Amino acid sequence: DTGVSQNPRHKITKRGQNVTFRCDPISEHNRLYWYRQTLGQGPEFLTYFQNEAQLEKSRLLSDRFSAERPKGSFSTLEIQRTEQGDSAMYLCASSSTDRSNQPQHFGDGTRLSIL
Amino acid sequence: AQKITQTQPGMFVQEKEAVTLDCTYDTSDQSYGLFWYKQPSSGEMIFLIYQGSYDEQNATEGRYSLNFQKARKSANLVISASQLGDSAMYFCAMRDWETSGSRLTFGEGTQLTVNP
Repeated sequence: DTGVSQNPRHKITKRGQNVTFRCDPISEHNRLYWYRQTLGQGPEFLTYFQNEAQLEKSRLLSDRFSAERPKGSFSTLEIQRTEQGDSAMYLCASSSTDRSNQPQHFGDGTRLSIL
Repeated sequence: AQKITQTQPGMFVQEKEAVTLDCTYDTSDQSYGLFWYKQPSSGEMIFLIYQGSYDEQNATEGRYSLNFQKARKSANLVISASQLGDSAMYFCAMRDWETSGSRLTFGEGTQLTVNP
Protein backbone atom coordinates (compact mmCIF):
# COMPACT_ATOMS: atom_id res chain seq x y z
CA ASP A 1 0.00 0.00 0.00
CA THR A 2 1.87 3.06 -1.25
CA GLY A 3 1.24 6.33 0.47
CA VAL A 4 0.81 9.82 -0.92
CA SER A 5 3.75 10.74 -3.12
CA GLN A 6 4.94 14.28 -3.75
CA ASN A 7 7.55 15.53 -6.18
CA PRO A 8 9.94 17.17 -6.00
CA ARG A 9 10.93 16.98 -2.33
CA HIS A 10 12.77 20.27 -2.56
CA LYS A 11 12.58 23.14 -5.03
CA ILE A 12 14.83 26.19 -5.03
CA THR A 13 14.02 28.94 -7.47
CA LYS A 14 14.51 32.62 -8.06
CA ARG A 15 11.81 35.13 -7.32
CA GLY A 16 9.55 35.64 -10.30
CA GLN A 17 9.91 32.13 -11.69
CA ASN A 18 7.05 29.68 -12.05
CA VAL A 19 7.07 26.37 -10.20
CA THR A 20 4.91 23.26 -10.40
CA PHE A 21 4.51 20.51 -7.84
CA ARG A 22 2.98 17.09 -8.32
CA CYS A 23 0.98 14.93 -5.93
CA ASP A 24 0.01 11.30 -6.44
CA PRO A 25 -2.62 10.30 -3.89
CA ILE A 26 -3.26 6.84 -2.49
CA SER A 27 -4.72 4.99 -5.46
CA GLU A 28 -8.26 4.38 -4.20
CA HIS A 29 -8.66 7.85 -2.71
CA ASN A 30 -10.90 10.21 -4.64
CA ARG A 31 -10.39 13.23 -2.40
CA LEU A 32 -7.21 15.28 -2.59
CA TYR A 33 -6.15 18.30 -0.55
CA TRP A 34 -3.35 20.86 -0.72
CA TYR A 35 -2.01 22.62 2.37
CA ARG A 36 0.80 25.09 2.95
CA GLN A 37 2.98 25.04 6.06
CA THR A 38 5.36 27.82 7.00
CA LEU A 39 8.14 27.37 9.54
CA GLY A 40 6.86 26.91 13.09
CA GLN A 41 3.21 26.86 12.07
CA GLY A 42 0.57 24.23 11.45
CA PRO A 43 -0.55 23.48 7.90
CA GLU A 44 -3.08 25.85 6.30
CA PHE A 45 -5.68 24.64 3.82
CA LEU A 46 -5.33 25.76 0.22
CA THR A 47 -7.73 23.73 -1.90
CA TYR A 48 -9.63 20.44 -2.22
CA PHE A 49 -10.65 18.13 -5.06
CA GLN A 50 -13.25 15.43 -5.22
CA ASN A 51 -12.26 13.40 -8.26
CA GLU A 52 -11.44 16.03 -10.89
CA ALA A 53 -13.70 18.73 -9.45
CA GLN A 54 -12.12 21.49 -7.39
CA LEU A 55 -14.72 21.99 -4.66
CA GLU A 56 -13.09 24.35 -2.19
CA LYS A 57 -10.49 27.09 -2.43
CA SER A 58 -9.03 29.09 0.41
CA ARG A 59 -8.63 32.83 0.20
CA LEU A 60 -4.92 32.03 0.64
CA LEU A 61 -4.98 30.72 -2.93
CA SER A 62 -4.23 33.92 -4.79
CA ASP A 63 -4.62 34.20 -8.54
CA ARG A 64 -0.94 33.27 -8.89
CA PHE A 65 -1.78 29.81 -7.63
CA SER A 66 -3.59 27.21 -9.68
CA ALA A 67 -4.30 23.58 -8.94
CA GLU A 68 -5.55 20.89 -11.26
CA ARG A 69 -6.55 17.27 -11.10
CA PRO A 70 -7.39 16.56 -14.71
CA LYS A 71 -8.20 12.85 -14.57
CA GLY A 72 -9.11 12.58 -10.93
CA SER A 73 -5.84 10.90 -10.08
CA PHE A 74 -2.66 12.96 -9.63
CA SER A 75 -2.79 16.69 -9.00
CA THR A 76 -0.49 19.59 -9.79
CA LEU A 77 -0.09 22.87 -7.94
CA GLU A 78 1.46 25.71 -9.93
CA ILE A 79 2.70 29.00 -8.53
CA GLN A 80 3.33 31.74 -11.06
CA ARG A 81 5.66 34.70 -10.52
CA THR A 82 6.90 33.36 -7.20
CA GLU A 83 7.44 35.75 -4.29
CA GLN A 84 9.56 35.48 -1.15
CA GLY A 85 6.43 34.84 0.89
CA ASP A 86 5.73 31.68 -1.10
CA SER A 87 8.63 29.94 0.65
CA ALA A 88 6.99 27.12 2.59
CA MET A 89 6.34 23.41 2.72
CA TYR A 90 3.50 22.40 0.38
CA LEU A 91 1.68 19.33 1.64
CA CYS A 92 -0.70 17.12 -0.25
CA ALA A 93 -3.18 14.80 1.43
CA SER A 94 -5.80 12.34 0.28
CA SER A 95 -8.77 10.51 1.76
CA SER A 96 -11.17 7.84 0.59
CA THR A 97 -14.45 9.32 1.74
CA ASP A 98 -15.86 12.40 3.35
CA ARG A 99 -16.99 10.45 6.38
CA SER A 100 -16.24 12.22 9.60
CA ASN A 101 -13.79 9.70 10.98
CA GLN A 102 -11.70 9.30 7.86
CA PRO A 103 -8.29 10.91 8.31
CA GLN A 104 -6.47 12.71 5.58
CA HIS A 105 -3.21 10.94 4.74
CA PHE A 106 -0.34 13.26 3.97
CA GLY A 107 2.67 13.04 1.70
CA ASP A 108 6.18 14.08 2.66
CA GLY A 109 5.68 17.53 1.19
CA THR A 110 7.58 19.74 -1.24
CA ARG A 111 9.76 22.36 0.38
CA LEU A 112 9.92 25.53 -1.72
CA SER A 113 12.68 28.07 -1.21
CA ILE A 114 12.58 31.38 -3.07
CA LEU A 115 15.92 33.12 -3.50
CA ALA B 1 -14.54 31.26 13.43
CA GLN B 2 -13.12 27.86 14.30
CA LYS B 3 -9.82 27.79 16.06
CA ILE B 4 -7.40 25.27 17.50
CA THR B 5 -5.15 26.30 20.37
CA GLN B 6 -2.09 24.40 21.48
CA THR B 7 -0.60 26.33 24.38
CA GLN B 8 2.59 24.28 24.83
CA PRO B 9 5.24 25.24 22.25
CA GLY B 10 7.60 22.63 23.72
CA MET B 11 7.34 19.70 26.09
CA PHE B 12 9.97 17.41 27.56
CA VAL B 13 9.43 13.92 28.95
CA GLN B 14 11.63 11.13 30.20
CA GLU B 15 11.67 7.92 28.25
CA LYS B 16 9.03 5.41 29.47
CA GLU B 17 6.96 8.10 31.17
CA ALA B 18 3.56 9.42 30.06
CA VAL B 19 3.00 12.89 28.65
CA THR B 20 -0.11 14.95 27.91
CA LEU B 21 -0.24 17.42 25.02
CA ASP B 22 -2.97 20.02 25.34
CA CYS B 23 -5.47 21.07 22.68
CA THR B 24 -8.50 23.30 22.97
CA TYR B 25 -10.84 24.12 20.14
CA ASP B 26 -13.58 26.52 19.29
CA THR B 27 -16.51 25.78 17.01
CA SER B 28 -20.23 26.45 16.92
CA ASP B 29 -20.89 23.23 15.00
CA GLN B 30 -22.51 20.31 16.83
CA SER B 31 -20.84 17.75 14.58
CA TYR B 32 -17.07 17.86 14.26
CA GLY B 33 -14.01 15.66 14.37
CA LEU B 34 -10.70 16.09 16.13
CA PHE B 35 -7.46 14.61 14.86
CA TRP B 36 -3.91 14.39 16.12
CA TYR B 37 -0.95 14.19 13.76
CA LYS B 38 2.76 13.64 14.38
CA GLN B 39 5.36 15.39 12.23
CA PRO B 40 8.96 14.17 12.67
CA SER B 41 11.84 16.34 11.50
CA SER B 42 11.71 14.57 8.14
CA GLY B 43 8.44 16.39 7.43
CA GLU B 44 5.73 13.82 6.84
CA MET B 45 2.45 14.19 8.74
CA ILE B 46 1.46 10.92 10.39
CA PHE B 47 -2.14 10.40 11.53
CA LEU B 48 -2.34 9.18 15.13
CA ILE B 49 -5.88 9.25 16.49
CA TYR B 50 -9.41 10.54 15.87
CA GLN B 51 -12.25 11.63 18.16
CA GLY B 52 -15.75 12.45 16.93
CA SER B 53 -17.91 14.98 18.72
CA TYR B 54 -20.63 12.41 19.30
CA ASP B 55 -18.29 9.65 20.47
CA GLU B 56 -19.07 8.77 24.05
CA GLN B 57 -15.83 6.95 24.69
CA ASN B 58 -12.39 8.50 24.61
CA ALA B 59 -10.44 7.28 21.59
CA THR B 60 -7.44 5.00 22.08
CA GLU B 61 -4.85 3.72 19.59
CA GLY B 62 -2.06 1.71 21.13
CA ARG B 63 0.03 4.04 23.29
CA TYR B 64 -2.07 7.04 22.24
CA SER B 65 -5.28 8.07 23.94
CA LEU B 66 -7.39 11.16 23.70
CA ASN B 67 -8.77 12.86 26.80
CA PHE B 68 -11.91 14.39 25.30
CA GLN B 69 -13.81 16.88 27.47
CA LYS B 70 -16.57 18.23 25.28
CA ALA B 71 -17.95 20.80 27.73
CA ARG B 72 -14.49 22.31 28.10
CA LYS B 73 -13.80 21.95 24.36
CA SER B 74 -10.54 20.18 24.98
CA ALA B 75 -9.02 17.15 23.27
CA ASN B 76 -5.70 16.41 24.92
CA LEU B 77 -3.40 13.71 23.57
CA VAL B 78 -1.89 11.31 26.09
CA ILE B 79 1.17 9.31 25.07
CA SER B 80 1.99 6.51 27.47
CA ALA B 81 5.39 4.89 27.90
CA SER B 82 7.21 7.50 25.80
CA GLN B 83 9.88 6.30 23.40
CA LEU B 84 12.80 8.18 21.88
CA GLY B 85 11.09 7.89 18.49
CA ASP B 86 8.16 9.92 19.83
CA SER B 87 10.29 13.07 19.62
CA ALA B 88 8.50 15.15 16.99
CA MET B 89 6.07 17.99 16.40
CA TYR B 90 2.47 17.14 17.30
CA PHE B 91 -0.50 18.88 15.75
CA CYS B 92 -4.12 18.93 16.83
CA ALA B 93 -6.61 19.49 14.00
CA MET B 94 -10.36 19.89 13.65
CA ARG B 95 -12.85 19.33 10.92
CA ASP B 96 -16.28 20.93 11.27
CA TRP B 97 -18.44 20.47 8.20
CA GLU B 98 -20.99 23.22 8.57
CA THR B 99 -18.40 25.92 9.09
CA SER B 100 -15.44 24.78 7.06
CA GLY B 101 -16.41 21.82 4.91
CA SER B 102 -13.77 19.21 4.27
CA ARG B 103 -10.73 21.19 5.33
CA LEU B 104 -8.70 20.48 8.45
CA THR B 105 -7.83 23.42 10.71
CA PHE B 106 -4.56 22.89 12.56
CA GLY B 107 -3.10 24.30 15.74
CA GLU B 108 0.43 25.64 15.89
CA GLY B 109 1.80 22.43 17.29
CA THR B 110 3.78 21.21 20.28
CA GLN B 111 7.40 20.10 19.94
CA LEU B 112 7.87 17.00 22.09
CA THR B 113 11.33 15.90 23.13
CA VAL B 114 11.80 12.52 24.78
CA ASN B 115 14.95 12.32 26.90
CA PRO B 116 16.79 9.02 27.53
